[in-house]
Amino acid sequence: DVKVTQSSRYLVKRTGEKVFLECVQDMDHENMFWYRQDPGLGLRLIYFSYDVKMKEKGDIPEGYSVSREKKERFSLILESASTNQTSMYLCASSSRQSNEKLFFGSGTQLSVL
Amino acid sequence: RKEVEQDPGPFNVPEGATVAFNCTYSNSASQSFFWYRQDCRKEPKLLMSVYSSGNEDGRFTAQLNRASQYISLLIRDSKLSDSATYLCVVKERYSTLTFGKGTMLLVSP
Repeated sequence: DVKVTQSSRYLVKRTGEKVFLECVQDMDHENMFWYRQDPGLGLRLIYFSYDVKMKEKGDIPEGYSVSREKKERFSLILESASTNQTSMYLCASSSRQSNEKLFFGSGTQLSVL
Repeated sequence: RKEVEQDPGPFNVPEGATVAFNCTYSNSASQSFFWYRQDCRKEPKLLMSVYSSGNEDGRFTAQLNRASQYISLLIRDSKLSDSATYLCVVKERYSTLTFGKGTMLLVSP
């Protein structure tokens, strides 16, 4: 069964902390994505990567960075967490050949206090 | 700015009913179109692609009107298990997916 695994389902952090959200996929996909999902705002793309060590800004990259050192792993980093980064974070991957079919992880609900 | 607009609903329908959702997109250069489904507290999953000639997958029919820039999803004989949020998704060539905010469907016994 193919999988996108996010390291935590729920996470609580304090304002100013550095936060790492980890995502691993076992499908050998080239493309990986980080979204956040908020009520009334839908899914918004933060960053994506089409290859190892590559990264591209999405629609809302401010306050975030990413790392892709290995093909299967894509990390989202909040350098200094703020309360407006409280959200559901969803990682996704897709193959280069079928890049419209995203496979999502089950999400990390991050609360920043 | 790319925009994909959907009626948020909720659409409340009884089992067995037929229900239709529409979605409009702003970028006429959009090339590919999809419907994703998201169950409550779950991740989104691809439901079906939308082709220019229209396409069916069991009880689900998707249609595209390029001239008017809208996409529709028709669900026949609704089941309780169809209750979910349906996300309209649009893609331009060489670009990432743009998601609508979703339409919530509630099917009641």
